[in-house]
Amino acid sequence: AQSVAQPEDQVNVAEGNPLTVKCTYSVSGNPYLFWYVQYPNRGLQFLLKYITGDNLVKGSYGFEAEFNKSQTSFHLKKPSALVSDSALYFCAATDSWGKLQFGAGTQVVVTP
Amino acid sequence: DTAVSQTPKYLVTQMGNDKSIKCEQNLGHDTMYWYKQDSKKFLKIMFSYNNKELIINETVPNRFSPKSPDKAHLNLHINSLELGDSAVYFCASSQGPTGELFFGEGSRLTVL
Repeated sequence: AQSVAQPEDQVNVAEGNPLTVKCTYSVSGNPYLFWYVQYPNRGLQFLLKYITGDNLVKGSYGFEAEFNKSQTSFHLKKPSALVSDSALYFCAATDSWGKLQFGAGTQVVVTP
Repeated sequence: DTAVSQTPKYLVTQMGNDKSIKCEQNLGHDTMYWYKQDSKKFLKIMFSYNNKELIINETVPNRFSPKSPDKAHLNLHINSLELGDSAVYFCASSQGPTGELFFGEGSRLTVL
């Protein structure tokens, strides 16, 4: 069975500084990896995904994520955080059967 | 036009009642889902339908019954509501079981 770990409940960063949100996964076979963002009282929004190919994936709103097979990680990054990036971020993983497993979520707080 | 719409947005009801939540997507996707998000923001898949066929049925009490009349609709009926059913229920859709998910805005169910 697949599992996803987001080791940080919350990440605090000053506006303009780089932002990293960590994710590790356990999937049998080739993983399909995703990042989603949730703003208060809203549904989740897709940011980016990795299926195959380049290890560095670029997504919406200037976010990117790096797939590292040996470390089974898929950390989300943004070079320069904005206050509007403050939200709840979810990493998710599945195998080819499509039963998507979400991490527990990481609250990102960007201070001006 | 809203891509994934679910109604109602809020439901407040007494224990023991029966309630339904409706979901419609206009994205032409073939796979639809119900997720439950609890008060700690954990997301758990409940059901998934692909082309109206049930493909994922997690360990959910049989008081919960999904119905997919066609590819664009997936409704959730809950019988004999209990306090522990209080949560936000999200509908989502994707193209294929490994495509990125598009979420509705959620239906907040409160059982008194």
